[in-house]
Amino acid sequence: EAQLVESGGGLVKPGGSLRLSCAASGLSFNTAWMIWVRQGPGKGLEWVGRIKSKKDGGTIDYAAPVKGRFFISRDDSKSTLYLDMNSLRTEDTGVYYCTIFGVFMGRGYWGQGTLVNVSS
Amino acid sequence: SYELTQPPSVSVSPGQTARISCSGDALPKKYGYWYQQKSGQAPVLLIYEDSQRPSGIPERFSGSTSGTIATLTISGAQAEDEADYYCYSTANSGEGVFGGGTKLTVL
Repeated sequence: EAQLVESGGGLVKPGGSLRLSCAASGLSFNTAWMIWVRQGPGKGLEWVGRIKSKKDGGTIDYAAPVKGRFFISRDDSKSTLYLDMNSLRTEDTGVYYCTIFGVFMGRGYWGQGTLVNVSS
Repeated sequence: SYELTQPPSVSVSPGQTARISCSGDALPKKYGYWYQQKSGQAPVLLIYEDSQRPSGIPERFSGSTSGTIATLTISGAQAEDEADYYCYSTANSGEGVFGGGTKLTVL
């Protein structure tokens, strides 16, 4: 069965950097459009950004609050999605999820999430 | 920036029908998606492309869009359906956006 597994979360000071990874298995990662979503403590879901498949142009879009600080990339040879986060702020604290845009083989897939805590 | 508007809360009696709305100006041209999130868990995709149901999702969940309003309908709500529900779509710019979420109470 297809699976997404995030890693790389942790405690970081304001102004610091962190790299999150999302390892995919059991699916055609190279054809998938991938999305990062975050959820602050007690808050709703927030779209962070999306990367299209290379065959669809590989276009990357970001939410306004992270543009210029966060960078999404993918390594199709490793079936892995990345989120490089720089100049972190306390308001970036939350659980970060990776997900496939839409469905794969008729089902939706989300990772279990990884917690990022930006605090001094 | 583009916004999707949902009611903060909806209540339904067990076995009755619950409807959760999502309002957005681009919905006539952009697909709507619905997600369920139970406490402490990752979201689950319930509906994609306005009205399509992924495999494994119970038939009591359905979606529709009319004009600028997308609606998630839960027919015969069960206690296990208590959760937060989020609509999702894309702006004309390509940026994704979630609605603020609706807390469904079954009582």
